Amino acid sequence: DGGITQSPKYLFRKEGQNVTLSCEQNLNHDAMYWYRQDPGQGLRLIYYSQIVNDFQKGDIAEGYSVSREKKESFPLTVTSAQKNPTAFYLCASSDRPWEKLFFGSGTQLSVL
Amino acid sequence: DQQVKQNSPSLSVQEGRISILNCDYTNSMFDYFLWYKKYPAEGPTFLISISSIKDKNEDGRFTVFLNKSAKHLSLHIVPSQPGDSAVYFCAAREWSLNMLTFGGGTRLMVKP
Repeated sequence: DGGITQSPKYLFRKEGQNVTLSCEQNLNHDAMYWYRQDPGQGLRLIYYSQIVNDFQKGDIAEGYSVSREKKESFPLTVTSAQKNPTAFYLCASSDRPWEKLFFGSGTQLSVL
Repeated sequence: DQQVKQNSPSLSVQEGRISILNCDYTNSMFDYFLWYKKYPAEGPTFLISISSIKDKNEDGRFTVFLNKSAKHLSLHIVPSQPGDSAVYFCAAREWSLNMLTFGGGTRLMVKP
């Protein structure tokens, strides 16, 4: 079945630690995105990529980094510079940029 | 400044009746609008979309209405079913800025 796989589903980060969230898609989509959702809030864009080896910052990119070395993969690293990382992180992809995004099941990141 | 607002954080409806979820926006450059449904601890799933050149789009029990002069979007679900209980997000695209902005969501509860 085609879809987007995010792992792990739950992740705990210690102070000063970098953690990486995985996102893989087999939909053959060019565009991929990372969003963050805080309780009771909407989704806010962290980074997006419209093509391999290219990515752009979203509204809240500080403290995060990404790479897009393969079409199917778009990992997100939450660095120690992100002071408030506790949130639900959602990866998405789309065939055409900014149209009908398909979302993964999310990763809940918490700070120990 | 929130460009996409869902002013009702929650809505309760009886099974079989109509559910109407509302969304207001401020940016007249938005050209494409989407509705997503989200269950807890899962990623949003796409429901229905509408281009700014249309004022209505229908898909089964779901109909989206767009009133450009009022900058208002609504999703109608008829008839409502208990399985429709979820959080609903509206989203709006501004193509020139490579941006898809989400509202804060409305929690719909459909009572049997």
